[in-house]
Amino acid sequence: KAGVTQTPRYLIKTRGQQVTLSCSPISGHRSVSWYQQTPGQGLQFLFEYFSETQRNKGNFPGRFSGRQFSNSRSEMNVSTLELGDSALYLCASSPSWGAGNTIYFGEGSWLTVV
Amino acid sequence: DQQVKQNSPSLSVQEGRISILNCDYTNSMFDYFLWYKKYPAEGPTFLISISSIKDKNEDGRFTVFLNKSAKHLSLHIVPSQPGDSAVYFCAAIIGNEKLTFGTGTRLTIIP
Repeated sequence: KAGVTQTPRYLIKTRGQQVTLSCSPISGHRSVSWYQQTPGQGLQFLFEYFSETQRNKGNFPGRFSGRQFSNSRSEMNVSTLELGDSALYLCASSPSWGAGNTIYFGEGSWLTVV
Repeated sequence: DQQVKQNSPSLSVQEGRISILNCDYTNSMFDYFLWYKKYPAEGPTFLISISSIKDKNEDGRFTVFLNKSAKHLSLHIVPSQPGDSAVYFCAAIIGNEKLTFGTGTRLTIIP
């Protein structure tokens, strides 16, 4: 069965712009979570959605937002981009929320802010 | 506040020897711990986990040890193989809350 699909895989944006990243979870999975990976910071949790509702939120500024659609697909948006937002953004899906050992990651979206 | 810490950013081990990756945590409420492995250009994949009620879990070449009193867990890989070269993340969770990841350790297996 198809894995977690993230688009786009690579993108370059300019400071001040906004970006939208998309994630399609594994079929049947209803929970989608987002993580930011930067060198030295590991995987930082952004937010988790289950059945179109945000269940958990990490310690990121309000410029980072997300949503989940009725088909479980999710998008995250970063507005007013800063150089420090350059990172790998990973999406993960699981059948239900908080199921750590059944969480499956996508390959990520590499964002470079210049 | 980094609740899950991996103090060694990198580790090099000879092929065939034991690799030991360490992880410390500060929150005594964590009740489940996991290890993920990540290759470049791929997302992390689940490796092995352990409940806080156990002190050891084994799966083939991989064994995770948990020392609750020291708030420390370790991942042992025996014997180490070249394909084990990757970044390893430990993670912890409380109930059904979010996963909290460490900063990762890059393991390099030397042939």
